[in-house]
Amino acid sequence: SQQGEEDPQALSIQEGENATMNCSNKTSINNLQWYRQNSGRGLVHLILIRSNEREKHSGRLRVTLDTSKKSSSLLITASRAADTASYFCATDEGFQKLVFGTGTRLLVSP
Amino acid sequence: KAGVTQTPRYLIKTRGQQVTLSCSPISGHRSVSWYQQTPGQGLQFLFEYFSETQRNKGNFPGRFSGRQFSNSRSEMNVSTLELGDSALYLCASSVDRYEQYFGPGTRLTVT
Repeated sequence: SQQGEEDPQALSIQEGENATMNCSNKTSINNLQWYRQNSGRGLVHLILIRSNEREKHSGRLRVTLDTSKKSSSLLITASRAADTASYFCATDEGFQKLVFGTGTRLLVSP
Repeated sequence: KAGVTQTPRYLIKTRGQQVTLSCSPISGHRSVSWYQQTPGQGLQFLFEYFSETQRNKGNFPGRFSGRQFSNSRSEMNVSTLELGDSALYLCASSVDRYEQYFGPGTRLTVT
């Protein structure tokens, strides 16, 4: 079973708005990664935030990490229709074993 | 570089049969991981291979097995298929532990 819980399960916004999704874990977070999946296809790596980092930016993405609360958030600014996808957080348990969260389905309407 | 490729992309099998899925990693990537994705259980880790050795294994029954060849290509096999094995099977390759490159997946339907 999965360890990560993501919130919200689904999010519907208009183009240009910001989208925030949260990830919490039952156990400690190690080197948290965020992935995007378009319509039941393969996952695409978005960003990695290491355990000793608190915030990281990549283009329109901003990720925060709070190890004491075992949680992370992903902010997508100025959303576009092309951002419509499912977003997953994943923690690294060693030897390439990623434990994924439940995912957030994001719908960005034009 | 070519991305991770998986074959076949779609597969329909009958309960009790067995199936073999194939994954070709990105050139130079020696680690290959497999994941199962279902609506009910989400994304779950199956196993990981590095230089032909299984280094990590998820919590799946022995009907699920895999192997890796000297050219890093990997196969996974599911024997005695059950309806619950219907899923999207994803393969990922990597150089380091911090970014995995996923293939498009094989969608398996068991009837």
